Amino acid sequence: NAGVTQTPKFRVLKTGQSMTLLCAQDMNHEYMYWYRQDPGMGLRLIHYSVGEGTTAKGEVPDGYNVSRLKKQNFLLGLESAAPSQTSVYFCASSPGGGAAQETQYFGPGTRLLVL
Amino acid sequence: GQSLEQPSEVTAVEGAIVQINCTYQTSGFYGLSWYQQHDGGAPTFLSYNALDGLEETGRFSSFLSRSDSYGYLLLQELQMKDSASYFCAVSNQAGTALIFGKGTTLSVSS
Repeated sequence: NAGVTQTPKFRVLKTGQSMTLLCAQDMNHEYMYWYRQDPGMGLRLIHYSVGEGTTAKGEVPDGYNVSRLKKQNFLLGLESAAPSQTSVYFCASSPGGGAAQETQYFGPGTRLLVL
Repeated sequence: GQSLEQPSEVTAVEGAIVQINCTYQTSGFYGLSWYQQHDGGAPTFLSYNALDGLEETGRFSSFLSRSDSYGYLLLQELQMKDSASYFCAVSNQAGTALIFGKGTTLSVSS
């Protein structure tokens, strides 16, 4: 089992460019999440999904879009990158909701630099 | 909404005991989780308390008091490898996602 994987590991963008971050999990988990982590800010939830075909907004959704077309994949899109989106992005998954989603499994992260 | 407060930094020496506190405000409570993150790495799950009391897992223990909206992570027999950031987290009101605290950076020295 690979667990949760993220592609790419590192990317440099220019302001205004677009890109998609891919998250894949092989644990058959229902729930998937995207977080961003900035120094001193902890992990902030961007968007999440409670099942294939569903998405929901988190704490900081502006400037991002997501899609969950397949249960094992969760895509995070930046349509027009801004320097404020320079961050480390983590994807996570969990078996379900309620108490089950308290245990989340994280990917290794994607480091994004927007110039 | 949800909010969590935890100290930003804690320092200790090898072999010591350290306690990282977390107070929370939430409109729907399932339990309190703790995660560990080494520098440059992914967060990993440490523990989860749904009921009041102390849960022990090896050198790490976690405590919860629901009436006080308070919990802590206790690390005993500290080792250099315990130097990391520690995050407490609570569920959102719908029980569909976690809200994390800003994290406590633990530095263990010899």
